[in-house]
Amino acid sequence: RKEVEQDPGPFNVPEGATVAFNCTYSNSASQSFFWYRQDCRKEPKLLMSVYSSGNEDGRFTAQLNRASQYISLLIRDSKLSDSATYLCVVNKNNDMRFGAGTRLTVKP
Amino acid sequence: DVKVTQSSRYLVKRTGEKVFLECVQDMDHENMFWYRQDPGLGLRLIYFSYDVKMKEKGDIPEGYSVSREKKERFSLILESASTNQTSMYLCASKMWTQKYEQYFGPGTRLTVT
Repeated sequence: RKEVEQDPGPFNVPEGATVAFNCTYSNSASQSFFWYRQDCRKEPKLLMSVYSSGNEDGRFTAQLNRASQYISLLIRDSKLSDSATYLCVVNKNNDMRFGAGTRLTVKP
Repeated sequence: DVKVTQSSRYLVKRTGEKVFLECVQDMDHENMFWYRQDPGLGLRLIYFSYDVKMKEKGDIPEGYSVSREKKERFSLILESASTNQTSMYLCASKMWTQKYEQYFGPGTRLTVT
């Protein structure tokens, strides 16, 4: 079983749609969690950290469920510029583990 | 702004050659990482380093070695390149504390022929 699992997608949604991604992790001792965004042929960049209480940054909301060992990302009012691959990252003792990514395409 | 640079964006090498990939960060980060990224497999950790002269194997260290003689520089070495090492190689760095994220370099696309 992979340490971090994501639905690879692709998710194809119209502009303005709400889309949600989930990610599960196997190590219950994981300490911190992140969502990264990766554009085609570019390096991953931090989208947002994920806090236990959940957190929001504009149209993006991240949630963590430690009991069920999953994290989620919700994107509201999708924009064309949101098209990218979204990577879930789980950290334990600075050993950062990545999911394979979920590809999102937002269409006009 | 944190800056992580990698020595080459594109590299073509022949089978059996020794290959050096260099990574430099300018934010005094303790931790540095080397990943490879392949379609459908995501980022896989090759090696990471907690500090100078320290290294730990990741998930796929076979065929690779690393060197960290200075805090800002982390080198990945392919002792004898093979075609299955054709990939995108990404370097990253972060502060030692758990809550902080990684910063990535632009990547090196290596082709081994």
